[in-house]
Amino acid sequence: NAGVTQTPKFQVLKTGQSMTLQCAQDMNHNSMYWYRQDPGMGLRLIYYSASEGTTDKGEVPNGYNVSRLNKREFSLRLESAAPSQTSVYFCASKQQAASGANVLTFGAGSRLTVL
Amino acid sequence: GEDVEQSLFLSVREGDSSVINCTYTDSSSTYLYWYKQEPGAGLQLLTYIFSNMDMKQDQRLTVLLNKKDKHLSLRIADTQTGDSAIYFCAESIGDYKLSFGAGTTVTVRA
Repeated sequence: NAGVTQTPKFQVLKTGQSMTLQCAQDMNHNSMYWYRQDPGMGLRLIYYSASEGTTDKGEVPNGYNVSRLNKREFSLRLESAAPSQTSVYFCASKQQAASGANVLTFGAGSRLTVL
Repeated sequence: GEDVEQSLFLSVREGDSSVINCTYTDSSSTYLYWYKQEPGAGLQLLTYIFSNMDMKQDQRLTVLLNKKDKHLSLRIADTQTGDSAIYFCAESIGDYKLSFGAGTTVTVRA
């Protein structure tokens, strides 16, 4: 059971280049998320998908687009990378526990550097 | 508002107890969470507490919730070197979102 798989693990881009971060989960979860992690700022939500076919903006969506390709896959695209997008990106999927708590399972992260 | 705050660093001696504190702002949060992040890895859920509880114990972990003050704490008893990590407090926002704090880096010294 792989859980949440992100690719690539590392990427270096030049300003203005585009790229897509891929994420897949094999737990049959409905909801998926993209966060970025920056020192001293914790995790900030970029976009989320409550269910297949829907996407919504989080706290910091500018400069990003997402696609919920199917129930398993949720990709994050940078159309024109900027140095401010240098960060570690985490994909997560959500399971609602029997208690009602929302339990997120995270991928291992994708470290992106924009020069 | 959605704002979770926690101190950034904690240093503790091996065998002592660690206490990590967090404050949150959304009084309607139904659950509050603690996640652990080890170096180079994603976050893993440690424990969570329902907002109508004031304490939850799970082996070496004790979570205390003061809903009036919107204060959450995580106590780790008998702290070990394997407990060195970043610990994130999070609150639920509506049905789908979690809001995370900046994380507390815990360093365990011999």
